[in-house]
Amino acid sequence: AQRVTQPEKLLSVFKGAPVELKCNYSYSGSPELFWYVQYSRQRLQLLLRHISRESIKGFTADLNKGETSFHLKKPFAQEEDSAMYYCAPKRNAGNNRKLIWGLGTSLAVNP
Amino acid sequence: DAEITQSPRHKITETGRQVTLACHQTWNHNNMFWYRQDLGHGLRLIHYSYGVQDTNKGEVSDGYSVSRSNTEDLPLTLESAASSQTSVYFCASSPGQGLSGGETQYFGPGTRLLVL
Repeated sequence: AQRVTQPEKLLSVFKGAPVELKCNYSYSGSPELFWYVQYSRQRLQLLLRHISRESIKGFTADLNKGETSFHLKKPFAQEEDSAMYYCAPKRNAGNNRKLIWGLGTSLAVNP
Repeated sequence: DAEITQSPRHKITETGRQVTLACHQTWNHNNMFWYRQDLGHGLRLIHYSYGVQDTNKGEVSDGYSVSRSNTEDLPLTLESAASSQTSVYFCASSPGQGLSGGETQYFGPGTRLLVL
């Protein structure tokens, strides 16, 4: 079955420390991968897409097909990065337009 | 500005009652989705639609129904509310396959539902 795993429910780091939120997916092929973020009292929003190869708010994510991973990284965490982060792959097959959601990782950046 | 809205934002109801949650988007997006968000379960897909008159079951569809009579709206109905359906409900939309940014989902603000 298609599955996405975010192994850490909670990740706590200090301001200025590097942060890596892990995401592994279970299926082969060429998925399209997304990271979404939900700040306190705000709606879920797209953080970045792997096909854009962009850096948003200092975050980057590299697709590693060999390890089937799409970890989210930031070299220096800021307090405003505290939020819930969801990894969401989409299997590129047929007419599929659904995302598969991880359980999320709550990131707490401490001063 | 185009947007996606949900109403009501908060709802308290009793078990057995029928409840309808509204979702309205003004982007003319083809795809619309309903999720519930619960602690320890993340986001779970309830129903989704790829266009007018198209509806599909998600992973937790029992006890819920949707209808898509126009592009803008995908109301979610709880046929007979149960305490297990207490949750935060999110609606989302995306433009559609083949379009620039087509699979990016845009979320509404959520509806907090309490079933007593």
